[in-house]
Amino acid sequence: RKEVEQDPGPFNVPEGATVAFNCTYSNSASQSFFWYRQDCRKEPKLLMSVYSSGNEDGRFTAQLNRASQYISLLIRDSKLSDSATYLCVVNLRESYIPTFGRGTSLIVHP
Amino acid sequence: NAGVTQTPKFQVLKTGQSMTLQCAQDMNHNSMYWYRQDPGMGLRLIYYSASEGTTDKGEVPNGYNVSRLNKREFSLRLESAAPSQTSVYFCASSENRGTGGSGYTFGSGTRLTVV
Repeated sequence: RKEVEQDPGPFNVPEGATVAFNCTYSNSASQSFFWYRQDCRKEPKLLMSVYSSGNEDGRFTAQLNRASQYISLLIRDSKLSDSATYLCVVNLRESYIPTFGRGTSLIVHP
Repeated sequence: NAGVTQTPKFQVLKTGQSMTLQCAQDMNHNSMYWYRQDPGMGLRLIYYSASEGTTDKGEVPNGYNVSRLNKREFSLRLESAAPSQTSVYFCASSENRGTGGSGYTFGSGTRLTVV
């Protein structure tokens, strides 16, 4: 089983739709969690950290479920500009090495 | 602008040639990383430096060497380039193992082709 798994998609949604991605992780010692966005041929950029209590940033909501070992990203009112690949990142406690998922592709169409 | 700067942005090498990819960050981060990204493979860690003066192998270190020149700079060297090293290379840095919500900051990448 891979340490961090994501559905590669693509998720193809119309503008204005709500879409959610999940990312499962295998190591219960995981401590830090992030969602990154990567546009085609560009570097990954931090979208948001994921906190235990869940957190929201505008149209984006991230949640952590430690019991089931997954994090989620919810995007409301999707925009064309949200089209990108979304990577989840997991850090083990006391580790310097982040584990990246392979990403979920989102395509928002008019 | 604060961030991670990588040079060069593009490079074409012939098999057997050597080159060094440069990376510098101005955020006073302790940890620095080199990744390669290939289609369908995701990001794979080549080497990392937890702090100035230390370097460690990642998932795919063969064919590469690194130098943590000082706190700001972390270079990646290909001693004898092979076509299998054709990839996009990203340098990244983090303040404290990515904790504290700051995550990892990436450079804009180097597109390397080995012919």
